[in-house]
Amino acid sequence: KAGVTQTPRYLIKTRGQQVTLSCSPISGHRSVSWYQQTPGQGLQFLFEYFSETQRNKGNFPGRFSGRQFSNSRSEMNVSTLELGDSALYLCASSLERESQGSYFGPGTRLTVT
Amino acid sequence: AQSVTQLGSHVSVSEGALVLLRCNYSSSVPPYLFWYVQYPNQGLQLLLKYTSAATLVKGINGFEAEFKKSETSFHLTKPSAHMSDAAEYFCAVTPSGGSYIPTFGRGTSLIVHP
Repeated sequence: KAGVTQTPRYLIKTRGQQVTLSCSPISGHRSVSWYQQTPGQGLQFLFEYFSETQRNKGNFPGRFSGRQFSNSRSEMNVSTLELGDSALYLCASSLERESQGSYFGPGTRLTVT
Repeated sequence: AQSVTQLGSHVSVSEGALVLLRCNYSSSVPPYLFWYVQYPNQGLQLLLKYTSAATLVKGINGFEAEFKKSETSFHLTKPSAHMSDAAEYFCAVTPSGGSYIPTFGRGTSLIVHP
């Protein structure tokens, strides 16, 4: 069974631009969560989607948004990029919810210049 | 509210020695607890999870962890370290009720010397 895939793997953007990251969960998994990982803040939960609905949301500004499609694939969008948004963005999928443990993708390394 | 504390940002062991990575948590409701491993330039891989069944949980790659409610701990152990165990390890807690937003510890880097 294929694992969680994320595209692109690396991205360089300029301050003020916006970016869209994509995640394809493991087949049959309906829950997709997004995380931001930085050396300073560690791993922080962004949001979780289940059956195309945002079910949980972390403490991030409204510039961070996401959505999930009927095939469970998910995208996250960051608008008006700031230098502090440079991070590894990880997507994780699970069968029903995070409490079952998640399978993570390799991440998208976003650099904002 | 919940929090996770991993004692020691770096742990260094010799190959063949016992691995002990410490994790203490606080949670207002009974938690689910997890250990993940992250190798360089990769995402996280689930090692094991505690979801209120047996307190001693066995995971992949020879790792195990024991849930001790009285000590609010969930330490990760492995009897004999291999060079391939060198990686970053994360402890995480999710409440068993209400919102399932997970909280991760800051991570412990395991260094294995030959």
